[in-house]
Amino acid sequence: AQSVTQLDSQVPVFEEAPVELRCNYSSSVSVYLFWYVQYPNQGLQLLLKYLSGSTLVKGINGFEAEFNKSQTSFHLRKPSVHISDTAEYFCAVSASGGSYIPTFGRGTSLIVHP
Amino acid sequence: DTEVTQTPKHLVMGMTNKKSLKCEQHMGHRAMYWYKQKAKKPPELMFVYSYEKLSINESVPSRFSPECPNSSLLNLHLHALQPEDSALYLCASSRTTNTGELFFGEGSRLTVL
Repeated sequence: AQSVTQLDSQVPVFEEAPVELRCNYSSSVSVYLFWYVQYPNQGLQLLLKYLSGSTLVKGINGFEAEFNKSQTSFHLRKPSVHISDTAEYFCAVSASGGSYIPTFGRGTSLIVHP
Repeated sequence: DTEVTQTPKHLVMGMTNKKSLKCEQHMGHRAMYWYKQKAKKPPELMFVYSYEKLSINESVPSRFSPECPNSSLLNLHLHALQPEDSALYLCASSRTTNTGELFFGEGSRLTVL
């Protein structure tokens, strides 16, 4: 079975500052990795995904993430955040050997201050 | 069309009522999911349908009854719910259960009085 750890429950940041949201996973088999965003009163939307290939993945809204197999991490970054990035961010991992249904982390609340 | 549509957006029901949540997708996806989400928590998997057959039931109480009439539609029938069942119910779909990439609807917010 796989698991996901999002260490930070809340990350406050000022507008136009850079941000990193941390995600670590554990799995005994190869994995797919995802970041989803949930704006207030909405469903989850896929930001980006790592399936294979280049370890640096670019997503929507200027976000990117880097897959680090040795550190079992998939941290999400944005060089300059906007007020509109305020939302809940979920890291998810799915693994082979059964089904690929993703396991979600507990979520990180990104709060962007003006 | 890359949307998953859920109706109703809001539902208030008493503990003796029977109601249904509906979900529709037209992306040709063959896997559909129901999740339950409490405030400030990640989504919790309830049911998975793969090729219109129930493949996963995460030990969900029988007061929740899923139905997949065809490959585009997914229903969740609700009966004799408890106040603690109040939550956001999210429907999702994926091409198959072998991709891990889910497309979510906006959810149905359920309040049980």
